[in-house]
Amino acid sequence: GESVGLHLPTLSVQEGDNSIINCAYSNSASDYFIWYKQESGKGPQFIIDIRSNMDKRQGQRVTVLLNKTVKHLSLQIAATQPGDSAVYFCAEILAQGRLAFGKGNQVVVIP
Amino acid sequence: DAEITQSPRHKITETGRQVTLACHQTWNHNNMFWYRQDLGHGLRLIHYSYGVQDTNKGEVSDGYSVSRSNTEDLPLTLESAASSQTSVYFCASSASRGNTEAFFGQGTRLTVV
Repeated sequence: GESVGLHLPTLSVQEGDNSIINCAYSNSASDYFIWYKQESGKGPQFIIDIRSNMDKRQGQRVTVLLNKTVKHLSLQIAATQPGDSAVYFCAEILAQGRLAFGKGNQVVVIP
Repeated sequence: DAEITQSPRHKITETGRQVTLACHQTWNHNNMFWYRQDLGHGLRLIHYSYGVQDTNKGEVSDGYSVSRSNTEDLPLTLESAASSQTSVYFCASSASRGNTEAFFGQGTRLTVV
């Protein structure tokens, strides 16, 4: 698999702690906002999405919060594990269903 | 199990050569996408297709072309490779327009020398 050594904002978190990853978006017309995870050497993988008429959505160990007033999206990971070490991308659905990705945030879990 | 595969995984080519990267998915998805991933830019959309015979330009389509002759494949062609096209390329597919869950291949690292 492949990956890119992206020079990204990095969040270092102790194993077992909660992580919060933030993202600002620009397109107010997007119907959905999404979080993807990219592990080293792999392609991005879908984590969770949230519809634009919602403020919060929970998945397994993850929660996505959407604040449309300030165009802000966040991903909370509970009880962070070593397997959570990855680059996390926010994305939005544009017109005609295309996905547009943000630049990504690196999460490093310290054992 | 259904999957999406890219080939080759690594490619080195010379400036000016034509290069084709293959993408094959077995989900029977209508939508297929090609992205490139570079330092400081994240994932940028090159071309996409919503079905057989349908192709559309993304935000960085110059120098690239695609064709969709069947549901399973969306090959990406670099007409005349340039050093600026050195990148990691990802193919993805999704079931329908507006579907938020796209499935990505493992990527192809292309180096143009």
